[in-house]
Parts: sequence; structure tokens; C-alpha cells
Amino acid sequence: DIQMTQSPSTLSASVGDRVTISCRASQNISTWLAWYQQKPGQAPKLLIYKASSLESGVPSRFSGSGSGTEFTLTISSLQPDDFATYYCQQNNGYSPWTFGQGTKVEIK
Amino acid sequence: EVQLVESGGGLVQPGGSLRLSCVASGFTFSSYWMSWVRQAPGKGLEWVANIKQDGSEIYYVDSVKGRFTISRDNAKNSLYLQMNSLRAEDTAVYYCARDSGYGRYWGQGALVTVSS
Repeated sequence: DIQMTQSPSTLSASVGDRVTISCRASQNISTWLAWYQQKPGQAPKLLIYKASSLESGVPSRFSGSGSGTEFTLTISSLQPDDFATYYCQQNNGYSPWTFGQGTKVEIK
Repeated sequence: EVQLVESGGGLVQPGGSLRLSCVASGFTFSSYWMSWVRQAPGKGLEWVANIKQDGSEIYYVDSVKGRFTISRDNAKNSLYLQMNSLRAEDTAVYYCARDSGYGRYWGQGALVTVSS
């Protein structure tokens, strides 16, 4: 099974900061990677799919990059609404999904 | 507007059974794979199972194989998760999601609590 490792687990940042979250796959997944944002008590919200495609309606301050085994989610200028937990997810075809363990973005 | 609405959650004793339902609207249900994803209290997301459009392909996470059964009724725009031999570690919010290899649409979740 493909394992996904996210880092860091927790990130403390201030409004306006540039934030980067990393996700590593245990084997090559091409660009079959998605990023989600989740706030307490809410379902996950899709931000990025196919590693770098921005979901409709998601602010352009969110971007994704990477291929193969190394991926990055970047928030160019952190906004108050962005404090949440972020998950990466691999989907190598319609095989089982695997999520990273999550990165909580906290207020510094 | 795409909507996914789960129901059937609740409190069940260890070893018991529960059936979750997810009713879809706003899209052609029979054209999409569907998935169940769960989240234990204070923990991360765990994919549970998915099913192909016609039910001909089904996958499960190892921890639920032999205990959970995913199914669908395209005529009723409905997805199901039959959960048997429930354990304390199955306690979680269960989400259904439209599966395009990723989850663009999710339900609000159904809480399943396994406790005596």
C-alpha cells in the first residue's frame, strides 16, 4: 500500500506569512495527489487536485506543486480563514485512497 | 446543487451492526464512483471503502475487510455501508464522498459510536 507522510504535523504562523506544507508518497504516484482543508465540525474541502489544479472557488493564494513522490501545498499570504488542518491524499487511479496524517496550521 | 446526505449513525454496542445510508442529489449518481471516509474523534481522515458506478469493483481498507460491506442502489441515488462486528475503534464520523479519485463533494457526516 502507498503511504503518505506529511510535514510538519503542526505549524504556527501569522497572518500574511507564506506557508508551505510537504507531503511525501512511499512510491511514485505521478500527479495523483489532492489537498484538503478541514475546519472543526466540518467535512473536508477540496483545495487542489492532480497535484496543482486549483479547485473552482478556492482563492488563488493556495497553490500545489510536485510530482512523483514529493508534493507541496503553499499558501502565499495566510489569511484568518486559513487556520485549519490540511490533508494530502493520493489516488493512484481508482485504487484505495490514502491520506497524510494532517498538518494543523495554528495562530502564532 | 450537489448534495450528499448521510443517515443511520448512532450508538451501538461492541459486536453490533449498523447501516449507514447516503442519498445523493444534484448529479447523475450512476456515473460516479463513491467512497466512504471516516474520522475518529480528534484524529485524521481514513478512507474506508469505495465502489464503482455499477458495483462491479469494490475496495476496502484492510481494517474493515470481512466486517463492512459497501453497496449502492442507482435507482434510489443511494450509497450504503453495512457495518457488522463493530469495535470501539470503529467509532468515528463517517462521510460519503463523490469519488473522482479525489473528493470534490462530501456529505456532512454521520457519527457512529461503538460503546457498551
